[in-house]
Amino acid sequence: KAGVTQTPRYLIKTRGQQVTLSCSPISGHRSVSWYQQTPGQGLQFLFEYFSETQRNKGNFPGRFSGRQFSNSRSEMNVSTLELGDSALYLCASSHDSHGNTIYFGEGSWLTVV
Amino acid sequence: EDKVVQSPLSLVVHEGDTVTLNCSYEVTNFRSLLWYKQEKKAPTFLFMLTSSGIEKKSGRLSSILDKKELFSILNITATQTGDSAVYLCAVTRSNDYKLSFGAGTTVTVRA
Repeated sequence: KAGVTQTPRYLIKTRGQQVTLSCSPISGHRSVSWYQQTPGQGLQFLFEYFSETQRNKGNFPGRFSGRQFSNSRSEMNVSTLELGDSALYLCASSHDSHGNTIYFGEGSWLTVV
Repeated sequence: EDKVVQSPLSLVVHEGDTVTLNCSYEVTNFRSLLWYKQEKKAPTFLFMLTSSGIEKKSGRLSSILDKKELFSILNITATQTGDSAVYLCAVTRSNDYKLSFGAGTTVTVRA
C-alpha cells in the first residue's frame, strides 16, 4: 500500500512569490493534515481537512491556506512568501484523525530566498 | 494551550545501552499520545497509546502511558546506531483533529 505522497520534495522560491504544495494521502484515508517544521518552532499544526471540509486551523496567518479535493488529495498554498516560511512542510493522513494512527509523508522542503 | 514536554532534550549513549525517554503533557480532553521517530525525513509512527498501564512493545522498543500522572515513557533496549534519531511525542484531543508535538529528544547512539 502506497504511503503519503508529497510533491514537490524540494523547492526554492523568492520572497513575495507564492507556492503550492500537494499531498496524496494513503488510499482510503479521508483526513489530511498539514504541519510546518522548523528548527526553532518544531512541528506546528497548520490545518486539517476531512471530506473537503477544513475542520481545524492552527495559528498561522491568512497567507497559509489549503483545500481538499473529492479524492482526498490536498493542496496547501502560501502566498507572499517570507524568509521565515522556509521550512519542511509535512502532510499527514489517517482514516479519521480521531483515534486513528496518523501517518506522515516525506515532506516538502521549502527554501525562501 | 496544550503543553507537551519531552525530556531529556538530547542524550548520547553507546551501543547496547538502554534509553528511557519521557513525555509529559497537559491537555484538555485528552484522547491519545503518539510516539514518532524522525531521522532526516518524515516522522515514522512508533506507538499510539490511549489507555493507562498497558505497555506497547515492538521489538526493542516499548512504551507506556500514565493518564493519572500525565506522562508517557519510551524505552529502547540494546540500542543500535540505527536508533539515532529525534523521538517525538504528540498528543491528540477528543474535540479536535490535530497533533500537538513536544520539542523532541535527540538520541545519538555511538558504536
